Amino acid sequence: QVQLVQSGAEVKKPGASVKVSCKASGYTFTSYGITWVRQAPGQGLEWMGWISTYNGNTNYAQKLQGRVTMTTDTSTTTAYMELRSLRSDDTAVYYCARIHDFLSGYPLDYWGQGTLVTVSS
Amino acid sequence: QSALTQPASVSGSPGQSITISCAGTSSDVGSYNRVSWYQHHPGKAPKLMIYEGSKRPSGVSNRFSGSKSGNTASLTISGLQAEDEADYYCCSYAGSSTWVFGGGTKLTVL
Repeated sequence: QVQLVQSGAEVKKPGASVKVSCKASGYTFTSYGITWVRQAPGQGLEWMGWISTYNGNTNYAQKLQGRVTMTTDTSTTTAYMELRSLRSDDTAVYYCARIHDFLSGYPLDYWGQGTLVTVSS
Repeated sequence: QSALTQPASVSGSPGQSITISCAGTSSDVGSYNRVSWYQHHPGKAPKLMIYEGSKRPSGVSNRFSGSKSGNTASLTISGLQAEDEADYYCCSYAGSSTWVFGGGTKLTVL
């Protein structure tokens, strides 16, 4: 069965970086893209960016440009999201999700369990 | 890319039907069948409920249905049950490998 398993919770100081992993299993990793979504406390879901697991192409949300990098390791079927220069408003639960590339509108059909990143001095 | 517009909250009694709207533009919601809907219980991963505007993934109850008129999509839940109480988000592919979410709607089952 399709599973996305994320790394554990992180506590970081302002200005630091965090790298969250998302281990995929149960399907052909390079056939579906991965997107990252976050939810700050009391807020809604926010799309962060996309990465093609086939060729590594990326597209990031404008507000995160320059601070976020998404990568994949096809040998371990793992996706990564690194966020730099952390601020207190980056405190959120971060989710990876599989993009169903074969359906119109590219829905997010499987999600990781979420990783809480807390930014605090 | 601006967030899609959803009502902050809706409520209904068990057995009733409710509808959640999701307003966008001709570049996202209004463009082909790009809308999906997600159910999100606190502390759990979001779950895909509707894709391509009106289709249900395997295993999702037929009490959930989706539709679209112009630049506004809607999610209808019929025969409300206690376990339907959750946050609901619409999402649209907006082209050029970009997605946009709605602000979310909190459903309360009275």
